Amino acid sequence: DAKTTQPPSMDCAEGRAANLPCNHSTISGNEYVYWYRQIHSQGPQYIIHGLKNNETNEMASLIITEDRKSSTLILPHATLRDTAVYYCIVRASQGGSEKLVFGKGTKLTVNP
Amino acid sequence: KAGVTQTPRYLIKTRGQQVTLSCSPISGHRSVSWYQQTPGQGLQFLFEYFSETQRNKGNFPGRFSGRQFSNSRSEMNVSTLELGDSALYLCASSWDVSSGANVLTFGAGSRLTVL
Repeated sequence: DAKTTQPPSMDCAEGRAANLPCNHSTISGNEYVYWYRQIHSQGPQYIIHGLKNNETNEMASLIITEDRKSSTLILPHATLRDTAVYYCIVRASQGGSEKLVFGKGTKLTVNP
Repeated sequence: KAGVTQTPRYLIKTRGQQVTLSCSPISGHRSVSWYQQTPGQGLQFLFEYFSETQRNKGNFPGRFSGRQFSNSRSEMNVSTLELGDSALYLCASSWDVSSGANVLTFGAGSRLTVL
């Protein structure tokens, strides 16, 4: 089973920040938090990942709470093209098998 | 650089037939994994290959199989197709790192329809 909990859907106005929450209360010390998104009928696209510290890249920012039990993905200026299903995944850092367990994700709708 | 390439993109089969799907990973990526996506079950892990060896397998029947070649390209096969096998089949590749973060890059998928 997925180790994360996300709201099933969210709405955001175009140009505003979209803040997508994720709970991962059973996360282990060696598990990373990954975010992927999937635009309708396409393959999932990697967005960002983090372990303990907040992270930022050209797509988004990831804020991880100090106790690491939850995180927030921030799209600073959402556009219509950001409408997608967003998946939050936790995965151990050890190699040996690349298996991601996807939950149902959050369907983000960006409205004009 | 080229992304993960999956072929064919769309195909239609009838019950009882078999199908083979192909995946070419990003150059240099040695790990290839496969996922099935259906409206009811979402994204589910099928199996993962590394250096021509299956390293992990999801909870799917034996009709689902795969293999990886020496150039890291991978194929998956589904035999005796059932209506419920209609799905988007996704392939993902990655570097294999012994520790730390490892990012999967997904292909666009192969959409299989079983009639």
